[in-house]
Amino acid sequence: QKEVEQNSGPLSVPEGAIASLNCTYSDRGSQSFFWYRQYSGKSPELIMSIYSNGDKEDGRFTAQLNKASQYVSLLIRDSQPSDSATYLCAVNTGGGNKLTFGTGTQLKVEL
Amino acid sequence: DVKVTQSSRYLVKRTGEKVFLECVQDMDHENMFWYRQDPGLGLRLIYFSYDVKMKEKGDIPEGYSVSREKKERFSLILESASTNQTSMYLCASSGSGTGSTDTQYFGPGTRLTVL
Repeated sequence: QKEVEQNSGPLSVPEGAIASLNCTYSDRGSQSFFWYRQYSGKSPELIMSIYSNGDKEDGRFTAQLNKASQYVSLLIRDSQPSDSATYLCAVNTGGGNKLTFGTGTQLKVEL
Repeated sequence: DVKVTQSSRYLVKRTGEKVFLECVQDMDHENMFWYRQDPGLGLRLIYFSYDVKMKEKGDIPEGYSVSREKKERFSLILESASTNQTSMYLCASSGSGTGSTDTQYFGPGTRLTVL
């Protein structure tokens, strides 16, 4: 069974702080990694994708990938209350571009 | 922008009814997916399709079937709805290959309640 693990949280951070979200995966052959944000009652929306080891930055978001450790993370700088949501980690485990999703980490940004 | 639409945002059906959920994408994507999402269980893949008239079972296909007669449209069918199929249903689409084309884009979801 190919697995993607996330801490369910909630992770609480003060406004303006850095939020760090983590994800581990079991399939060493995975090539594509995604972070989605999901507000309550809404569908997931893509924040970032990452395919190579290292860091990828997009505005306040940085994705970090370490394939040797089978670990992917998402950093959110200058966290805002509007960042409060559930963040889903997804990994492409092959076979028609199927993604395996973690159960998500709930982030709460407090004023 | 990729647009994935689903036929209903909210749906209430009775046990034993046949239920159709439709999904349409406008990006000429080869792959389309149906998931259900339940609290504590995350997103679970029901079925996916990588081409017209082609389908493959996901992790939880029991009680569901699908149809893909046109590239842009993927339908999920509950042959005889049961209360344990009450859930949020999400459709997604993606291109084929890797390197940005495998990103899945989601529709707004259909919250189905079976009474």
